[in-house]
Amino acid sequence: DGGITQSPKYLFRKEGQNVTLSCEQNLNHDAMYWYRQDPGQGLRLIYYSQIVNDFQKGDIAEGYSVSREKKESFPLTVTSAQKNPTAFYLCASTRLVPPNTEAFFGQGTRLTVV
Amino acid sequence: GQNIDQPTEMTATEGAIVQINCTYQTSGFNGLFWYQQHAGEAPTFLSYNVLDGLEEKGRFSSFLSRSKGYSYLLLKELQMKDSASYLCAVRDWDGSNYQLIWGAGTKLIIKP
Repeated sequence: DGGITQSPKYLFRKEGQNVTLSCEQNLNHDAMYWYRQDPGQGLRLIYYSQIVNDFQKGDIAEGYSVSREKKESFPLTVTSAQKNPTAFYLCASTRLVPPNTEAFFGQGTRLTVV
Repeated sequence: GQNIDQPTEMTATEGAIVQINCTYQTSGFNGLFWYQQHAGEAPTFLSYNVLDGLEEKGRFSSFLSRSKGYSYLLLKELQMKDSASYLCAVRDWDGSNYQLIWGAGTKLIIKP
């Protein structure tokens, strides 16, 4: 079955450490996105990519980095520069060309700084 | 600028009908999506509108008026499992990229 997989589901990080969240899709989607969601809030865009080896900053990119070396993979690194990283992180992918351009989401990664 | 507005919270009774509104302001409208998100889970796709009118899918329907920058999600025969947040999102062309712009979501509380 095609889908989008995020791992791990829960992640604990010590202050000052970098951590990488995995996102893999086998839907052959061109576009991939990382969102952050805080309790009771909507989705905020961190980074997105519409083609391999290219990506753009979203609204809250500071303290985060990404790579897109393969079409299927879009890992997110939360660096020590991110001051308040505890949140729910969602990866999504979409087709760029209609039809069926709805976003598919991974299960999410809940990151907690301890 | 780009903006999407939805009510923060709504309450309805099991078995009833509820309408969740979404208004948007974008420059390159290319479709509107509704998603359902249960607490602690990822959003799941409900419906898509790109032309004016009503799209029906079982108990859920979605309506779009492009001239008014307005959409609604209609949920009929409400069930307790419909308690969730409902997110409105617009696909927008900014001249070089497609963007997905998200509303903050409407938390729907269903009471017995």
